Amino acid sequence: GENVEQHPSTLSVQEGDSAVIKCTYSDSASNYFPWYKQELGKRPQLIIDIRSNVGEKKDQRIAVTLNKTAKHFSLHITETQPEDSAVYFCAVKGGGSYIPTFGRGTSLIVHP
Amino acid sequence: EAGVTQFPSHSVIEKGQTVTLRCDPISGHDNLYWYRRVMGKEIKFLLHFVKESKQDESGMPNNRFLAERTGGTYSTLKVQPAELEDSGVYFCASSPHESGGEFFGPGTRLTVL
Repeated sequence: GENVEQHPSTLSVQEGDSAVIKCTYSDSASNYFPWYKQELGKRPQLIIDIRSNVGEKKDQRIAVTLNKTAKHFSLHITETQPEDSAVYFCAVKGGGSYIPTFGRGTSLIVHP
Repeated sequence: EAGVTQFPSHSVIEKGQTVTLRCDPISGHDNLYWYRRVMGKEIKFLLHFVKESKQDESGMPNNRFLAERTGGTYSTLKVQPAELEDSGVYFCASSPHESGGEFFGPGTRLTVL
């Protein structure tokens, strides 16, 4: 089955800095890569996603890049703000299965 | 548009008791998923419904867990009898398409003592 590794497990940055979270996957047939944000006490919410026919996608301060050859994808947050503090999960879908495999999550703390 | 709802938000039971969790997906979403997250670990897939049919239940840990989705609307997940290792947050999610992202519910925090 699919194996997803997510790093780092915790990330602490100063407000205004950039944050990068990386996930690697094992199944080269996987083709859908979403990122979810879970604020404390709230539900996970889809914030950005990318499909395998695209190398990069951007939405305001967040972007996702995909390297299919190396089988990794990354979430980039620029100009971080305290409200970006949350746990971020990557997930991988496809390769004949519609069941997502999640990473273990990254706790991002943005210090004002 | 109302989001995915789950009931109860918290449940504390003793080992050996039974608990039933409920999920109401977004109206019109055929796909319904159950997940569990144990503290500090990844969100783990339990099972997937398409309408009222179980599409994939490969993530169900054992036969103490029973999920139903009668009529293809809301779903229930029953744990009977509960064990200590069943503690965690149970999330439900729904989606209109299998190949895209999912809308999560707020989760049910289950504590088995």
